This record gives sequence, C-alpha cells and structure tokens, in this order.
Amino acid sequence: QKEVEQNSGPLSVPEGAIASLNCTYSDRGSQSFFWYRQYSGKSPELIMSIYSNGDKEDGRFTAQLNKASQYVSLLIRDSQPSDSATYLCAVGNAGNMLTFGGGTRLMVKP
Amino acid sequence: DTGVSQDPRHKITKRGQNVTFRCDPISEHNRLYWYRQTLGQGPEFLTYFQNEAQLEKSRLLSDRFSAERPKGSFSTLEIQRTEQGDSAMYLCASSSSGGDRGYFGPGTRLLVL
Repeated sequence: QKEVEQNSGPLSVPEGAIASLNCTYSDRGSQSFFWYRQYSGKSPELIMSIYSNGDKEDGRFTAQLNKASQYVSLLIRDSQPSDSATYLCAVGNAGNMLTFGGGTRLMVKP
Repeated sequence: DTGVSQDPRHKITKRGQNVTFRCDPISEHNRLYWYRQTLGQGPEFLTYFQNEAQLEKSRLLSDRFSAERPKGSFSTLEIQRTEQGDSAMYLCASSSSGGDRGYFGPGTRLLVL
C-alpha cells in the first residue's frame, strides 16, 4: 500500500468553480504536509504548506488538514484554465524526506 | 535568476555508461535534496544533504548511485553503469533550515537507450 494516496483523476471542473483535491496518508507520525503544482514537463512548484489541524488560506487556495483522519485536502476557488496541472500531495516526517503521492490531474474547462 | 539550477537539462546515454548531474541550490539554502520522478508518478526521495554532510539516503539509492556536496554548495549525482530503468527526471530541491521543503530545480531528464 502506498504511503500517500491520491486519486489520479483527471478531475474536470468548469472555469470559476471550486476544485477539491484530496490526499490520505498512512504514517501517523507525519508532521508536515505540502501541496505542489506540476505542469506537464516542468518541475513541482510549492503552493501550500500546512502543519497543524484546520484550514490555511492563501489567495484562492485553502489547505485543510485532519490528522485524526490522516487526510489533507486542497481547495481551489474560482478555478482558472491556468490551474490545469497535476497537483502533488507530499508528507514529511521527523526526518527530511518528503513522501509524495502520485498526483491528481486537474482540468479546468473554459 | 536566483532559483535552483540543474545541468544538463537533458541527457541521452547508452546503457552501461556513467552520467553525472549537477545541482546549484539557492545560495542561502543549506539543505539539498535529490528526487527521481518517472512518468505518471510523484517524485521519490533519493538523498538529503545538510551543508556538505549526506544525512539520509533512500533504499532506492543503489550502489550505482553516488551523490556529493563537497563544499556545501553545489551537488553532483552520479549514476554508474546506467540501466534502462534509470530513465527518469532527476530533480534537485533546496531549502533553508526550518524552511519549507523545498524549492525544486527544473530537473534533468535522463534517457538510457
């Protein structure tokens, strides 16, 4: 079983809608949680980090963490076609490595 | 450009050859990470340096792989006797102590024929 699970998608949403991306992880000792955006052929770009339970908002992005349920999500409000990309969930433990999920491909249709 | 840089951006080699990749982190970052990413998968951790010390290595890093960061600045990743299964994007990332992990470079795409 993979340590970080994401639905591979594609998740298709219309322009202006809210896109909801989900991630579950298996290591209860995980301490840090990240969302990266990756355009095709490019390297991952960090868009959100979250360390404690609850919500964290940054512009159109909101990350949500529920450690009891081992669940992390990313909401993208007012989705734009430029948001079309693969979104990678990454989980950090007490060490320094990140464990990534396989990514969810998001398609925002005009 | 003060981001993470990697060289070369693309490398095509024949099976059995050795290849070396270079990563220049953001100048004030003392932490450096190497990851490998294959098509359709998320990046997989390979190794981590704090300054010049290699502090963590993944089981993925077989004895054909070696990484160095001799002066705590740039890093090199060498793959000896390349195999077709080594074909992937090799990503370098850097961060500062206590900072978010991490800022990725553009990657080196390796194709082993």
